[in-house]
Amino acid sequence: GAVVSQHPSWVICKSGTSVKIECRSLDFQATTMFWYRQFPKQSLMLMATSNEGSKATYEQGVEKDKFLINHASLTLSTLTVTSAHPEDSSFYICSARDSGAGDYNEQFFGPGTRLTVL
Amino acid sequence: GQNIDQPTEMTATEGAIVQINCTYQTSGFNGLFWYQQHAGEAPTFLSYNVLDGLEEKGRFSSFLSRSKGYSYLLLKELQMKDSASYLCATMDSNYQLIWGAGTKLIIKP
Repeated sequence: GAVVSQHPSWVICKSGTSVKIECRSLDFQATTMFWYRQFPKQSLMLMATSNEGSKATYEQGVEKDKFLINHASLTLSTLTVTSAHPEDSSFYICSARDSGAGDYNEQFFGPGTRLTVL
Repeated sequence: GQNIDQPTEMTATEGAIVQINCTYQTSGFNGLFWYQQHAGEAPTFLSYNVLDGLEEKGRFSSFLSRSKGYSYLLLKELQMKDSASYLCATMDSNYQLIWGAGTKLIIKP
């Protein structure tokens, strides 16, 4: 099956710093990628939809100036958490849709990035 | 509005069968997915239904009734490694996944 990678797998940073998370589709092209956040014992929460070559679409309540998304190529989307604070500590997961999959709508998930802000 | 309901937690015995139900109300429908998620890991794909009926894949089967807004995931011959959260998600007309809160399945020996 299709593979999506995320880097880093985990990161610890100081409050006020910025953290960049990369999401790559390794063996397929993805015009659309999704960024999720998951707090302990809660379900996935969609943060934004990332579209290659255009601005991301953010879900209600997600600050676009704090969570910067760049989808510069068909295989890479990045999420930058700016001025991170302890409440941003969470599990961040990306997923990607295979642009060439036709009507098959499966999203392939990356392994996730655990962010801890001290 | 959009809403997906599934039980919060279920317990079953190793070797037995368990059915996890999911009901949904969404705007637009491009299929229903079941994912498995172990603690601290990303979800992994289990099944996709877009037409009514039962899809069988090894020990796991998934059923969909679009008219009833209902799906279930059936797990047979339960193994201890099946202890995980099972997430039901529908895909809306914008190809976004709408997630249920997940069902934590506990398998006992």
